[in-house]
Amino acid sequence: QKEVEQNSGPLSVPEGAIASLNCTYSDRVSQSFFWYRQYSGKSPELIMSIYSNGDKEDGRFTAQLNKASQYVSLLIRDSQPSDSATYLCAANKAAGNKLTFGGGTRVLVKP
Amino acid sequence: DGGITQSPKYLFRKEGQNVTLSCEQNLNHDAMYWYRQDPGQGLRLIYYSQIVNDFQKGDIAEGYSVSREKKESFPLTVTSAQKNPTAFYLCASSIFQGVANSPLHFGNGTRLTVT
Repeated sequence: QKEVEQNSGPLSVPEGAIASLNCTYSDRVSQSFFWYRQYSGKSPELIMSIYSNGDKEDGRFTAQLNKASQYVSLLIRDSQPSDSATYLCAANKAAGNKLTFGGGTRVLVKP
Repeated sequence: DGGITQSPKYLFRKEGQNVTLSCEQNLNHDAMYWYRQDPGQGLRLIYYSQIVNDFQKGDIAEGYSVSREKKESFPLTVTSAQKNPTAFYLCASSIFQGVANSPLHFGNGTRLTVT
């Protein structure tokens, strides 16, 4: 079992719709979770971080964390073609700041 | 502006040659990291360093070496022992806060091709 798992996609979403991305993690002691967006050929850029159970909203993005189910999700509201990218989920290790990444979910927003 | 600089952007080498990838940061971050990304894959940790003159192996350290002589610099050497060195290499840094975590900030990456 991979430590952080994501559906590779592609997730095809009509422009203006909600994109829903899921991520599960195996290390129950993981404390911090991050979503990164990566355009093709570019480096990842941080979108959201979440540390506590529940929802966290930032603009069109909402991250949801459920530690009991070991599940993290990202919602993108009013999806735009510029949101077409690969979204990486990352979880920390218990010690230090060593992040483990999932394989990424590719999102395609169609006009 | 503060940031992480990786150079060069593209690097081509012949099989059997060692090659060193540069990573410099002016964010005053304590921790620095090297990740490798293969096409369609996530990031895999090669090495990381939380303080000057100290570093630890990540998940795929075989065939790589690093040094951390200065806080700002964390060069990665891809040795001839690395079986599949062609990949996209990403350097990152973060504020080291012990158990608490801060997000990683990434450089623009170096795309290494070995033939």
